[in-house]
Amino acid sequence: QQQVKQSPQSLIVQKGGISIINCAYENTAFDYFPWYQQFPGKGPALLIAIRPDVSEKKEGRFTISFNKSAKQFSLHIMDSQPGDSATYFCAASMMAAGNKLTFGGGTRVLVKP
Amino acid sequence: NAGVTQTPKFRVLKTGQSMTLLCAQDMNHEYMYWYRQDPGMGLRLIHYSVGEGTTAKGEVPDGYNVSRLKKQNFLLGLESAAPSQTSVYFCASSSQASQPQHFGDGTRLSIL
Repeated sequence: QQQVKQSPQSLIVQKGGISIINCAYENTAFDYFPWYQQFPGKGPALLIAIRPDVSEKKEGRFTISFNKSAKQFSLHIMDSQPGDSATYFCAASMMAAGNKLTFGGGTRVLVKP
Repeated sequence: NAGVTQTPKFRVLKTGQSMTLLCAQDMNHEYMYWYRQDPGMGLRLIHYSVGEGTTAKGEVPDGYNVSRLKKQNFLLGLESAAPSQTSVYFCASSSQASQPQHFGDGTRLSIL
């Protein structure tokens, strides 16, 4: 049973465009929702994270939108650049239970120049 | 500033062989985690530790054992490797549960 479902699996966007990745979760006890960026041959690196008491968080060109009632959250990459080409993972966890991350399946993003 | 270091980076094993993957962190973090990454499935938690001398099972613990004898090291062992354990293994650490996890660059393991 996949507790965090991520879509799409892959995404191609033109330079300057907007990349949107969506995730849905099932466990209402989750209270921490991070997004990770991974380049080939490297480990995931934290990009941005949100708690359920906030509906939106923005850091530079990256924005998380969170809908608690729908149990969904999404990552928006504004003004996408070729350097943003990577695999993105959403995740969810319960802080009080050791912050064990449950990951989505990943989205491979390709930004064309 | 090394962060989280995993050794080895690559390894090929034959079915039935055993090996140990080492994770070392120099950030004095309490929490450490082992994940495996398979195509289309994201990362899945194998085992984790909330402090020196403690270990606990994650989502997919079968076939693996771990030890945390020193705070800075977290070892993942495969007693009898199986082809289903072919994967990329990532170690992560965090200072406490409310802090982000920092990942190493992974160990690519192939079992023939």
